[in-house]
Amino acid sequence: AQKVTQAQTEISVVEKEDVTLDCVYETRDTTYYLFWYKQPPSGELVFLIRRNSFDEQNEISGRYSWNFQKSTSSFNFTITASQVVDSAVYFCALSEQSGTYKYIFGTGTRLKVLA
Amino acid sequence: GAVVSQHPSWVICKSGTSVKIECRSLDFQATTMFWYRQFPKQSLMLMATSNEGSKATYEQGVEKDKFLINHASLTLSTLTVTSAHPEDSSFYICSATGTESYEQYFGPGTRLTVT
Repeated sequence: AQKVTQAQTEISVVEKEDVTLDCVYETRDTTYYLFWYKQPPSGELVFLIRRNSFDEQNEISGRYSWNFQKSTSSFNFTITASQVVDSAVYFCALSEQSGTYKYIFGTGTRLKVLA
Repeated sequence: GAVVSQHPSWVICKSGTSVKIECRSLDFQATTMFWYRQFPKQSLMLMATSNEGSKATYEQGVEKDKFLINHASLTLSTLTVTSAHPEDSSFYICSATGTESYEQYFGPGTRLTVT
């Protein structure tokens, strides 16, 4: 059955440290999409990245980078030189073709960046 | 592009009353809209999926008579919480898909408090 696991419930780091948020997914589909969203205290979900199952290239966007590995069914997210503004809850989500692209969200990881 | 709005952003109502939440796609036609509920420190839980002009499809465990969804046009979906009770207090988030059905665009959410 489809599933998204974010094993880290909460992570605290000191500003300027690097931090990696883990995401492991389960699916039987060959066509699927993975997403990362940031949810700051305001509650509004902020889109960070989308990856489809046929594109395993890693991506870097400023201080953010993503490592997609189909062999381990993981889509991890790294923040380099973390800042206080990065404090938020981060969600990983899976969207499958067979599931009519309904999102399956992980439980989220709360990141606290301390000054 | 791909902006989704929700109204109101927050609402307080008395127990036993009904409250309507609107979700609009501002710059695209939404083929499908989704409604989520999020309790404090929890993930998003899909409540229902709706397509314009069709009855909504509710997830298991969601009372369709309590959470009425109307998707009257390609840009508007409404969620009505009928006979609200304090346990219905939550953060309600809608999303919409456009031509690319695998990606959802999220509204900013509506915080409902039932007293």
